[in-house]
Amino acid sequence: AQSVAQPEDQVNVAEGNPLTVKCTYSVSGNPYLFWYVQYPNRGLQFLLKYITGDNLVKGSYGFEAEFNKSQTSFHLKKPSALVSDSALYFCAVRDPRGGGFKTIFGAGTRLFVKA
Amino acid sequence: NAGVTQTPKFQVLKTGQSMTLQCAQDMNHNSMYWYRQDPGMGLRLIYYSASEGTTDKGEVPNGYNVSRLNKREFSLRLESAAPSQTSVYFCASSDGASGGYTFGSGTRLTVV
Repeated sequence: AQSVAQPEDQVNVAEGNPLTVKCTYSVSGNPYLFWYVQYPNRGLQFLLKYITGDNLVKGSYGFEAEFNKSQTSFHLKKPSALVSDSALYFCAVRDPRGGGFKTIFGAGTRLFVKA
Repeated sequence: NAGVTQTPKFQVLKTGQSMTLQCAQDMNHNSMYWYRQDPGMGLRLIYYSASEGTTDKGEVPNGYNVSRLNKREFSLRLESAAPSQTSVYFCASSDGASGGYTFGSGTRLTVV
């Protein structure tokens, strides 16, 4: 069965420092991987995705993520955090076999960026 | 603005009442989804519609029904609401298996 783990409920970072939000997954084959961000009282917004190709993918707002197949990880990164990055971040995985219509979301990691 | 529109934004129901959550997208996406979000549990898929005319169960379908009215609209119905259905409900759409989802702003439902 597919599963996604975000091992940290919360990540605290000082503004200007690099940030990492961790994600590991358990899906057989070659999954599609996604990151979403949710600001208070809003729906989720798509940040970036990995489908195939280069293991480092770049997305919105300066975020990037590194796909590591051997470690089954897809960690979200940003070189320099902003206070406005404070939000709830979700990792998601989709098995493309059978049409790929069921996306599994992690429980979310709350990011606090302190000024 | 283009995107996914959900109505209502807030709703309070009494146990046993019924209601329908509405969702419409204007991006010409083929696939639409209903998720519920509960604290500490992420998002769980209730039902999805791969394309117009088809619907399938997700992870937590019990107590819900859906209708894909046309390509734009995908509604979620609670026939007899229960307190366990208190949650925030999100509708989403996508264009194919490799596409990211576009989410609506959510419906906060409380069942008392």
